[in-house]
Amino acid sequence: EVQLVESGGGLVQPGGSLRLSCAASGFTFRGYWMSWVRQAPGKGLEWVANMNQDGSEKYYVDSVKGRFTISRDNAKNLVYLQMNSLRAEDTAVYYCASDGQPFDHWGQGTLVIVSS
Amino acid sequence: SYVLTQPPSVSVAPGQTARITCGGNNIGSKSVHWYQQKSGQAPVLVVYDDGNRPSGIPERFSGSNSGNTATLTISRVEAGDEADYYCQVWDSSSDHVVFGGGTRLTVL
Repeated sequence: EVQLVESGGGLVQPGGSLRLSCAASGFTFRGYWMSWVRQAPGKGLEWVANMNQDGSEKYYVDSVKGRFTISRDNAKNLVYLQMNSLRAEDTAVYYCASDGQPFDHWGQGTLVIVSS
Repeated sequence: SYVLTQPPSVSVAPGQTARITCGGNNIGSKSVHWYQQKSGQAPVLVVYDDGNRPSGIPERFSGSNSGNTATLTISRVEAGDEADYYCQVWDSSSDHVVFGGGTRLTVL
């Protein structure tokens, strides 16, 4: 059974940092692109970032470019999202997803709240 | 940047057919994927590559894509189909993933 389990969310002050993790199991992790998608409270889905199998290609939505970094550890089946210079508008549930175009599988999400 | 436009809401009676549209410039040249998101849950893929269903998704869910409009069709709608539905494409010109704004399906 495919499982994606996010962790690392929480309350952070504006300008602060958080690192999200996503643990993958039940599929050949190293064979997949991986993505992060977020959903602000009461809003729609927004793709945040993705990366290819070996980490040599990474893409970001313009609003997080230069602030967020996606990375992965294929030996541990983990994908990360380092979030710096956080803003109130980054408040959202963050999902990781296996990115086979389409997004085949999703985690349950982790909530990030940016507030003073 | 590429934009996908969905109606905010669609309402349908049980047993009837719901059609949810997703508009985009020449979207017919792209592969469109559809996700269902029930309240408080993560999204689930229901149709991929315009009209294919993942295993476990009922045959009542189908999709089409031509010209400037893609359509998700749900036949014989059930109360359990009530959810938000999102279309999604990959925009090769920007290497960005794009989601539509979402459509709330209400079963009357």
